[in-house]
Amino acid sequence: DAGVIQSPRHEVTEMGQEVTLRCKPISGHDYLFWYRQTMMRGLELLIYFNNNVPIDDSGMPEDRFSAKMPNASFSTLKIQPSEPRDSAVYFCASSETSNRGGDRFFGPGTRLTVL
Amino acid sequence: GDSVTQMEGPVTLSEEAFLTINCTYTATGYPSLFWYVQYPGEGLQLLLKATKADDKGSNKGFEATYRKETTSFHLEKGSVQVSDSAVYFCALGGSNYKLTFGKGTLLTVNP
Repeated sequence: DAGVIQSPRHEVTEMGQEVTLRCKPISGHDYLFWYRQTMMRGLELLIYFNNNVPIDDSGMPEDRFSAKMPNASFSTLKIQPSEPRDSAVYFCASSETSNRGGDRFFGPGTRLTVL
Repeated sequence: GDSVTQMEGPVTLSEEAFLTINCTYTATGYPSLFWYVQYPGEGLQLLLKATKADDKGSNKGFEATYRKETTSFHLEKGSVQVSDSAVYFCALGGSNYKLTFGKGTLLTVNP
């Protein structure tokens, strides 16, 4: 299996622009997670899906952030409009139903820089 | 709520030295415990796990024992290598599907 795939790997944009991050989970995994990693705040869970349905979005920082999972093999995280404080590495991860609370498989991340 | 506290780094060791990275947790119920590793420029990878008290997780020479009496899950390796240089995260999995991560510990191993 190719693992969790994320694109783009790097994104540089200007404040106010829309940013869309993409994720393809491992086939057969029912859970998908979006995380944000910064030096100041560490690793934060933004939102997670089960069977394409958003279960908990309490970590989404503001209404500027939105996430969708239109099918089992694709998810997007969108920031509109972007701000410099959104600069971070964004990770997507997936896991199987049978793994209670763990065994996440992480993608390589998207490094976002907002100027 | 659930929380994880791990020793702050950075930790710098010479090759073949003994490694300990401390991790303690606070949780309700019976959580699972994990160590993840992040190599430079990559995503996190599961290193080892333990799902109940007294379980020992092990992988690639690393070990950690789930100690319920001390609420700890310390990571150890008897002889580190330069290739072990990475950031190590302790994590706790509760009754839902959320993982609570520690802040990470940067390990640098010098030849």
